[in-house]
Amino acid sequence: AQKVTQAQTEISVVEKEDVTLDCVYETRDTTYYLFWYKQPPSGELVFLIRRNSFDEQNEISGRYSWNFQKSTSSFNFTITASQVVDSAVYFCALRPFGRGGSYIPTFGRGTSLIVHP
Amino acid sequence: NAGVMQNPRHLVRRRGQEARLRCSPMKGHSHVYWYRQLPEEGLKFMVYLQKENIIDESGMPKERFSAEFPKEGPSILRIQQVVRGDSAAYFCASSRGQANTGELFFGEGSRLTVL
Repeated sequence: AQKVTQAQTEISVVEKEDVTLDCVYETRDTTYYLFWYKQPPSGELVFLIRRNSFDEQNEISGRYSWNFQKSTSSFNFTITASQVVDSAVYFCALRPFGRGGSYIPTFGRGTSLIVHP
Repeated sequence: NAGVMQNPRHLVRRRGQEARLRCSPMKGHSHVYWYRQLPEEGLKFMVYLQKENIIDESGMPKERFSAEFPKEGPSILRIQQVVRGDSAAYFCASSRGQANTGELFFGEGSRLTVL
């Protein structure tokens, strides 16, 4: 069984502040993917990033960066210089793969980010 | 646009009626997942299907809910005799295969309101 915990229910920041969304996971599988999805007010889920358990290299994409630390089972997401358009609910998810894995993605409860102008 | 298509986007039903939600996966995708999102909650897995096959339905309520993904046509999530607690957003996602690169692509969701 796996579990994804996003302890922050809601974060409120002012535009241009940096913000980090936390994600902690539990799994017995040795091979898995981790994801972040964004759900803007319009409701659709937008895929942001995938990391696999073999690759702990951090990644940066524009104002977004992700910090994967297997030792602490965390996959945190940082938005630099936040903008109002970043306001959304952000979901972290885990999906095992490999022999015997369930392949079913498990999602956290989401963190609602509100960026004020 | 070859994305995941869900319809209807919004559905209103009275208690006791049936709700049918449809999902057409992305082109080339043969695996479909249904999730339910209740207000203030995350996405809860319901069922995972391949064409003509239910792979995992461990998240489906035992009664009133059923899902199918026929050889031709969209996947359908069916809720019989709806109750107010069924009001939620239902999301469909698709992927190429079971052990592919991993990410699921989601539709825009179907929002069910039970009066």
